[in-house]
Amino acid sequence: NAGVTQTPKFRILKIGQSMTLQCTQDMNHNYMYWYRQDPGMGLKLIYYSVGAGITDKGEVPNGYNVSRSTTEDFPLRLELAAPSQTSVYFCASSYVGGYGYTFGSGTRLTVV
Amino acid sequence: KQEVTQIPAALSVPEGENLVLNCSFTDSAIYNLQWFRQDPGKGLTSLLLIQSSQREQTSGRLNASLDKSSGRSTLYIAASQPGDSATYLCAVKQNSGNTPLVFGKGTRLSVIA
Repeated sequence: NAGVTQTPKFRILKIGQSMTLQCTQDMNHNYMYWYRQDPGMGLKLIYYSVGAGITDKGEVPNGYNVSRSTTEDFPLRLELAAPSQTSVYFCASSYVGGYGYTFGSGTRLTVV
Repeated sequence: KQEVTQIPAALSVPEGENLVLNCSFTDSAIYNLQWFRQDPGKGLTSLLLIQSSQREQTSGRLNASLDKSSGRSTLYIAASQPGDSATYLCAVKQNSGNTPLVFGKGTRLSVIA
């Protein structure tokens, strides 16, 4: 089982560049989430989705955008990268909200 | 706003020792609480989930307890092994709806052989 697949694993961006972090799950989960984890900190929710076509903001959505056109995919878009967005980004999915979370292995992003 | 705190931030113990990790939350009206393990450079793996109506859950050498009224949970690890070295995160879900988990900052555990 692939579970939750995130690409790329590592990326260095220059200030002002844009990029999309990809997330795909093959478990037919309705719920998908994007978290960021800064060093020594817990995970902070960026955006989440309860199904295709439905997204909602989390705790730290500024500077990011998401879309959910299919059940499987939940890409995260950074439009104008800033040093404050240097972090490790985790995508996760669950069948129902709050149960059975499966996490991807993360994308380590550095903005210079 | 729910806040989750984990103490200590880091812990180092000799192999074989029993240990307790602590988690506290500010709003006791939670739906469930989960403990996760995170290995360096990896994602999170779910360890135990406790529903708000439960007092504890056990899996192998792990036992998690929940005291909702006092806003506390503990993760007990028996007979620790070097393979237990990881960061352990506590997370709470506020209600049965769409609200996602709120995470603590984690406790980094090192078990020394």
